[in-house]
Amino acid sequence: DSGVTQTPKHLITATGQRVTLRCSPRSGDLSVYWYQQSLDQGLQFLIQYYNGEERAKGNILERFSAQQFPDLHSELNLSSLELGDSALYFCASSAQGQEWTEAFFGQGTRLTVV
Amino acid sequence: GENVEQHPSTLSVQEGDSAVIKCTYSDSASNYFPWYKQELGKRPQLIIDIRSNVGEKKDQRIAVTLNKTAKHFSLHITETQPEDSAVYFCAAILYGQNFVFGPGTRLSVLP
Repeated sequence: DSGVTQTPKHLITATGQRVTLRCSPRSGDLSVYWYQQSLDQGLQFLIQYYNGEERAKGNILERFSAQQFPDLHSELNLSSLELGDSALYFCASSAQGQEWTEAFFGQGTRLTVV
Repeated sequence: GENVEQHPSTLSVQEGDSAVIKCTYSDSASNYFPWYKQELGKRPQLIIDIRSNVGEKKDQRIAVTLNKTAKHFSLHITETQPEDSAVYFCAAILYGQNFVFGPGTRLSVLP
């Protein structure tokens, strides 16, 4: 167990719908990262938050948005879903203190858009 | 931002042989280089990492080497076993920037 919790584990929804994925980082970790992994593909960086503020943005679609709350949990919102959004969505957290430390991944949320 | 390339994309080795995966990065200021292993259907997990002030690091059958001048780093797995079969991702990170991973290498260890 990495200490990073993602809910739900599986999500099936229809095209055009909106879903929210949730991530609780490891205790004390201030940084949260979101990644999208399509079938047999790499880890596509979406967005990073650090202590409630957006730190970096990758190839995140305008239909997607995220936020990190005061308790440091994060939510990724996906709207106007398309078939191509079907993927495994990972959240990771790291301490990101004086030096870089390991990023710990959650078990992922598998999103299926039908 | 940082750009990480990774080669090869797929690698098949016989059990007991060595495997080498290479990554190159673009930002010479990057100072942290982790390697993650992702087994089928599971989360990526760190297997080894190296910082820019170190040229080589070893942990049992796994080693990583870093050449800052050439801006490349490599993962070496010796005496490969079937359980080493997985996708391996490298990353090159500058403090304060995001974790951007290479495209991954699918390693197959054949019995």
